[in-house]
Amino acid sequence: AQKVTQAQTEISVVEKEDVTLDCVYETRDTTYYLFWYKQPPSGELVFLIRRNSFDEQNEISGRYSWNFQKSTSSFNFTITASQVVDSAVYFCALSGRGGSARQLTFGSGTQLTVLP
Amino acid sequence: DGGITQSPKYLFRKEGQNVTLSCEQNLNHDAMYWYRQDPGQGLRLIYYSQIVNDFQKGDIAEGYSVSREKKESFPLTVTSAQKNPTAFYLCASAGRGGWNEQFFGPGTRLTVL
Repeated sequence: AQKVTQAQTEISVVEKEDVTLDCVYETRDTTYYLFWYKQPPSGELVFLIRRNSFDEQNEISGRYSWNFQKSTSSFNFTITASQVVDSAVYFCALSGRGGSARQLTFGSGTQLTVLP
Repeated sequence: DGGITQSPKYLFRKEGQNVTLSCEQNLNHDAMYWYRQDPGQGLRLIYYSQIVNDFQKGDIAEGYSVSREKKESFPLTVTSAQKNPTAFYLCASAGRGGWNEQFFGPGTRLTVL
């Protein structure tokens, strides 16, 4: 069975602070993909990144960066110099052949609030 | 513009009534999905379809039904058998291949009165 754990239910930071959202996953698959999505107050999930299990290079996109470590089964997400517009719920998700390659297992999400 | 549309945005239903949520996509995606989201929780898969006229149950299919008569459309019916239907429902689609990211619609918030 697959499982994604986002232990941080809620995080509050002041604007311009850096913040890291944790994601730990469990899977028996050797091939899998990890995803991060953002859910603003409007409700629609916005795709942020996809990373496959064979690529452990960290990735940076503007103020966003991701740290994938297979040894600890973690795929953490860091926002640098946070802004009020970053306030949202962030979900980590896992796709693997344990169920179907097309199914995503979501974590419970982390509510990020960035205060001005 | 390409995307996924869901209607209505808000839906109210009396107990004992069936209700159908619409999901349409013009992304030419093969796969479509329905998720349920409850407050403070992640998304749980209700049904998914990888191709027209075929669909599979997800983790919480009881009390729901779907159809996939057209590639663009994947309506979800919440039946009276669903004991606790009040939730936020999200539709998603993904392109060919097993590993593509899913793209989501704006969601429908269903409230049972």
